[in-house]
Amino acid sequence: EVQLVESGGGLVQPGGSLRLSCAASGFTFSNYAMSWVRQAPGKGLEWVSGIGGSGDSTYHADSVKGRLTISRDNSKNTLYLQMNSLRAEDTAVYYCAKHGGISYYHPTDYWGQGTLVTVSS
Amino acid sequence: DIVMTQSPDSLAVSLGERATINCKSSQSVLYSSNNKNYLAWYQQKPGQPPKLLIYWASTRESGVPDRFSGSGSGTDFALTISSLQAEDVAVYYCQQYYSTPFTFGPGTKVDIK
Repeated sequence: EVQLVESGGGLVQPGGSLRLSCAASGFTFSNYAMSWVRQAPGKGLEWVSGIGGSGDSTYHADSVKGRLTISRDNSKNTLYLQMNSLRAEDTAVYYCAKHGGISYYHPTDYWGQGTLVTVSS
Repeated sequence: DIVMTQSPDSLAVSLGERATINCKSSQSVLYSSNNKNYLAWYQQKPGQPPKLLIYWASTRESGVPDRFSGSGSGTDFALTISSLQAEDVAVYYCQQYYSTPFTFGPGTKVDIK
């Protein structure tokens, strides 16, 4: 059974940092691209970052480029999102999502339950 | 960026009746080399993560009831629920995964009339 469990969310002041983690199980982690998708309170979905199965290909949305960085450790079956210089508009539930193939040009077929990041003073 | 629009914003349908949601992309998401439309549909219920329903515009995900179907090509797509059930109350999103950033539509809320 595929499981994706996010952790690391919480309350942080503007300008602060957080690192989100997503522990994956139930599939061969390195064979699949992964992404982070966020949802601000009461709003729609925004795809934030994606990474290929081997980790050599990454993408970051313009809204987070230079501040949020996706990475993965295939030996630990874990996906990360390093979040620096956080702003109020980064407040959202962050979902970890698995793609259906080794590149992120596949639909996301499994999602975690999400972790809430709140940026506020 | 490819802009995704959905219509209507919300709809209320009687139990057992048909519901249709439309999705339009600002440019084609049909990849000519494999003739696939890079378009997915997701269902999100309150307090839950999105769930994949349809991918490649018309392929139903495993375990999804056959009352859900996807259609369309190029820039115009639709999700149809042939006979609405109480458990289908949710927000539905389309998403293109043709080019980065992979953009979502704004969502369509489906309720029971």
